[in-house]
Amino acid sequence: QQQVKQSPQSLIVQKGGISIINCAYENTAFDYFPWYQQFPGKGPALLIAIRPDVSEKKEGRFTISFNKSAKQFSLHIMDSQPGDSATYFCAPLYSGGYQKVTFGIGTKLQVIP
Amino acid sequence: GAGVSQSPSNKVTEKGKDVELRCDPISGHTALYWYRQRLGQGLEFLIYFQGNSAPDKSGLPSDRFSAERTGESVSTLTIQRTQQEDSAVYLCASSLSRTVYEQYFGPGTRLTVT
Repeated sequence: QQQVKQSPQSLIVQKGGISIINCAYENTAFDYFPWYQQFPGKGPALLIAIRPDVSEKKEGRFTISFNKSAKQFSLHIMDSQPGDSATYFCAPLYSGGYQKVTFGIGTKLQVIP
Repeated sequence: GAGVSQSPSNKVTEKGKDVELRCDPISGHTALYWYRQRLGQGLEFLIYFQGNSAPDKSGLPSDRFSAERTGESVSTLTIQRTQQEDSAVYLCASSLSRTVYEQYFGPGTRLTVT
């Protein structure tokens, strides 16, 4: 059972462009929706997260959009920079009790100058 | 402050040998996770420790894999009789508690089984 489906698996964007990564989930109990960023040779690090009480959250160039009815959320990177080149993972979870976290398969983003 | 540390950073071993990987979580973090990341793949959950509660071992792929944690400190992941398919990066993460969701990851141990 694939609880979390992330797309695309790879993405190439020109510098200054918008990068969009999507995450679809099945479990309607999920109530915390984070995106992690991983650089080569490093562990993932939390980038931005959203709760379902809001439909959008913005932190600098990074925005999460949340669509509860469609059971999906997305990461938008505005004015993409070569330094954003990394792998991005979604990892939605239910906060009401312990549940092992299922990470998306990851999206490898390459921002070319 | 110090983050999650893992050792060794790289380990090359021969098929059939046992290996032990170590994770030092952030001080005060009661929750600790182990994941496996194969080349170009996502994170595969292996095991979860929370304080003195029984660990969630449901992600361990076979009985060759085991993990221990002493209280709320160091954890070791042991792989016995290593196989080539065990080659991967093993990541450890910790979080403040089971109700604080941000996981802080270590840099990982890259295991190569020849």
